[in-house]
Amino acid sequence: EAQVTQNPRYLITVTGKKLTVTCSQNMNHEYMSWYRQDPGLGLRQIYYSMNVEVTDKGDVPEGYKVSRKEKRNFPLILESPSPNQTSLYFCASSLIAPWVSTSTDTQYFGPGTRLTVL
Amino acid sequence: TQLLEQSPQFLSIQEGENLTVYCNSSSVFSSLQWYRQEPGEGPVLLVTVVTGGEVKKLKRLTFQFGDARKDSSLHITAAQPGDTGLYLCAGDDETSGSRLTFGEGTQLTVNP
Repeated sequence: EAQVTQNPRYLITVTGKKLTVTCSQNMNHEYMSWYRQDPGLGLRQIYYSMNVEVTDKGDVPEGYKVSRKEKRNFPLILESPSPNQTSLYFCASSLIAPWVSTSTDTQYFGPGTRLTVL
Repeated sequence: TQLLEQSPQFLSIQEGENLTVYCNSSSVFSSLQWYRQEPGEGPVLLVTVVTGGEVKKLKRLTFQFGDARKDSSLHITAAQPGDTGLYLCAGDDETSGSRLTFGEGTQLTVNP
């Protein structure tokens, strides 16, 4: 089954304690991306990756890091989480970047990770 | 400031009614996508429109891309409780390059 998986699904942590949210896709997609979703602000892109070892900042990259050492995995790292990073996080992947996609391409989203930073 | 403005933000209707939600911007988009998101899940792509004036139908859902590629609408005919969810539009702004921008979404509730 084609899917994007994220772990953990729920996490409560404290300020300053480093954490990693994993993302994995089994569709051999080149493009992967991280978003955060907040009430009244919609989905905002944090980082994206066009391919292995190629990452770039999205709209809200501050306080986050990513890596793309293998095609299937795209972990999101919070080195020193703060309360304003409390949010719902989504990983997504597609064969190629959505802005160059045709009507036949699809961006698949993971189930989400709800993070609370106290 | 949101690049994509969706309206209404909330919509509660009875089963069988028709509805339209809107996605507007002052920017021109190369393409625009519509997603539906259900509680506890990620957004699921419904359709992508790429040509100004384009109309696409997906069963009871009709999507239209404005002639100037600055706006889009989603019309649902004879809504059913299974249509309940958060509807999101997303587009790649011609001036911002490699970015996909999402609207805030329209939360639709269809009551039986």
